[in-house]
Amino acid sequence: NAGVTQTPKFQVLKTGQSMTLQCAQDMNHNSMYWYRQDPGMGLRLIYYSASEGTTDKGEVPNGYNVSRLNKREFSLRLESAAPSQTSVYFCASSEASQVRYSSGNTIYFGEGSWLTVV
Amino acid sequence: AQSVSQHNHHVILSEAASLELGCNYSYGGTVNLFWYVQYPGQHLQLLLKYFSGDPLVKGIKGFEAEFIKSKFSFNLRKPSVQWSDTAEYFCAVDLGGGFKTIFGAGTRLFVKA
Repeated sequence: NAGVTQTPKFQVLKTGQSMTLQCAQDMNHNSMYWYRQDPGMGLRLIYYSASEGTTDKGEVPNGYNVSRLNKREFSLRLESAAPSQTSVYFCASSEASQVRYSSGNTIYFGEGSWLTVV
Repeated sequence: AQSVSQHNHHVILSEAASLELGCNYSYGGTVNLFWYVQYPGQHLQLLLKYFSGDPLVKGIKGFEAEFIKSKFSFNLRKPSVQWSDTAEYFCAVDLGGGFKTIFGAGTRLFVKA
């Protein structure tokens, strides 16, 4: 049981380049998330997907796009990378469901992807 | 806007010292509260959570936290820290359904052996 796996772990991009971060979970969770972690700012939600086929903006969505390919996979795309997007990115999942309200859902995180934009 | 405040960004303790990390949130409704921990080189993982019932909750590795509703606080405590507790600790508040989990800025704890 691998949990949440994300790739790549490290990436260096030049300004203006594009890339996609891949994420998959094997816990049959309904919801998936992309966070970024910056020093002194904790984790901020970029986008989330409450179910297959749906995505919603989080706190800091500008400059990013996401795709919920199926229940297992949720990718994050940077179309034109900027230095301000240098960060550690975490994919996560939880049992939370829009159809069936539940509270106290633990979020399970991947190991993180270190992205540097130069 | 809802927010989560962690009072200390960096804490340095010697082994066997007692630990208390503060966490306050700003939201008047029902909340679920969490502490997550990120050990060096590892991903974030759940330390403990409060859902309902006894406001004093116990987690892994001897950690506990107390929910004080009147103070909007959920402070993390451990009576005697160990070197292996060196990590970054995040307080988080779920405002509903899991999609609205807000994280604090984190507290980096360094325990001297």
